[in-house]
Amino acid sequence: KAGVTQTPRYLIKTRGQQVTLSCSPISGHRSVSWYQQTPGQGLQFLFEYFSETQRNKGNFPGRFSGRQFSNSRSEMNVSTLELGDSALYLCASSPMTSANTGELFFGEGSRLTVL
Amino acid sequence: AQSVTQLGSHVSVSEGALVLLRCNYSSSVPPYLFWYVQYPNQGLQLLLKYTTGATLVKGINGFEAEFKKSETSFHLTKPSAHMSDAAEYFCAVTMLSNYQLIWGAGTKLIIKP
Repeated sequence: KAGVTQTPRYLIKTRGQQVTLSCSPISGHRSVSWYQQTPGQGLQFLFEYFSETQRNKGNFPGRFSGRQFSNSRSEMNVSTLELGDSALYLCASSPMTSANTGELFFGEGSRLTVL
Repeated sequence: AQSVTQLGSHVSVSEGALVLLRCNYSSSVPPYLFWYVQYPNQGLQLLLKYTTGATLVKGINGFEAEFKKSETSFHLTKPSAHMSDAAEYFCAVTMLSNYQLIWGAGTKLIIKP
């Protein structure tokens, strides 16, 4: 069974640009969560989607958005990039109806560098 | 506020020595408890979990953790460290009062030869 796939793995952008990251969950998983990981802030929850609906949202500005498609694939978008957005963005899928049962399957992440 | 505390951002042990990574949570209701591991340049992987039942939980790679309700703790142990255990370890807790998933700050485990 294929794991969670995130693309691209690495990308470099400049301030003010926007970026879209993609996540394909494990087949059959309908819950997808996104996390931002930085050395200073650790793991921070961005949002969770289930059946194309955003169920939970973390404390991030509106520049961060996401969506989920009918095949459970998810994308997240960051607009007007800032230097502080440089981070590893992790996607996780869950077989449960809610990612908050805690059993998550993570992708390898997309490492974003903003110059 | 509900929180998860991992004692020590870095823990260093010698190869073959006992590994002990500490995790404490604040909650009046026993939660679901998890340990995840992150190897360099990879995503997180579930090591073990406690939801109900036996309080001593065995996971992958020889790790185990014990849920102690009276101490609100879920410490991770391994009898004998191996060089391949070098990674960052995260404790996570689902608070059953509101089904909020809370993460600890992580502990980097360093193995000395």
